[in-house]
Amino acid sequence: DSGVTQTPKHLITATGQRVTLRCSPRSGDLSVYWYQQSLDQGLQFLIQYYNGEERAKGNILERFSAQQFPDLHSELNLSSLELGDSALYFCASSVGYEQFFGPGTRLTVL
Amino acid sequence: GENVEQHPSTLSVQEGDSAVIKCTYSDSASNYFPWYKQELGKRPQLIIDIRSNVGEKKDQRIAVTLNKTAKHFSLHITETQPEDSAVYFCAASPTGFQKLVFGTGTRLLVSP
Repeated sequence: DSGVTQTPKHLITATGQRVTLRCSPRSGDLSVYWYQQSLDQGLQFLIQYYNGEERAKGNILERFSAQQFPDLHSELNLSSLELGDSALYFCASSVGYEQFFGPGTRLTVL
Repeated sequence: GENVEQHPSTLSVQEGDSAVIKCTYSDSASNYFPWYKQELGKRPQLIIDIRSNVGEKKDQRIAVTLNKTAKHFSLHITETQPEDSAVYFCAASPTGFQKLVFGTGTRLLVSP
């Protein structure tokens, strides 16, 4: 158990819908990262927040957005969902170099 | 931007043999190189990492080597066991404290 929690574990929804994924980092970690893992794209960095501020952006679609709240938990919002958005979404947290991953949310878009 | 290549994509060994996975990176500014093990449907788990000011690091049966000049790093697993079977990912961090760029993964199968 890495100490990073994510909810929900599984999410099944339809195209065009909007969902919110939640992540709670390890106690004391200020940085939260979001990654997408799909069969054809591997593990791709989406976005990083540090102490409430956006720090770095990767291959995140405009339909996706994220934020980090004062209690340091983070949410990833995915809207206008498409079939290709089906993937495992991981968050990770860190206080230094090492990133520790949560159990992931498996999103299935039908 | 940073690009990480990983080889081989699959690796089959007999229990007790050694396994080596190799990665190359493109951005000479990268300074942090972790390795993750991922079992089916589970989270990536950090197993070892190395920073750019170190050439080699060892932790029991696993070791990582880094060649900054050639921009490649390798994972070595000795005395492999069936429970080592998983997908292994290398990664590079372009500036540290920020995003990880992952390789495409190596599926390691250790047969008893």
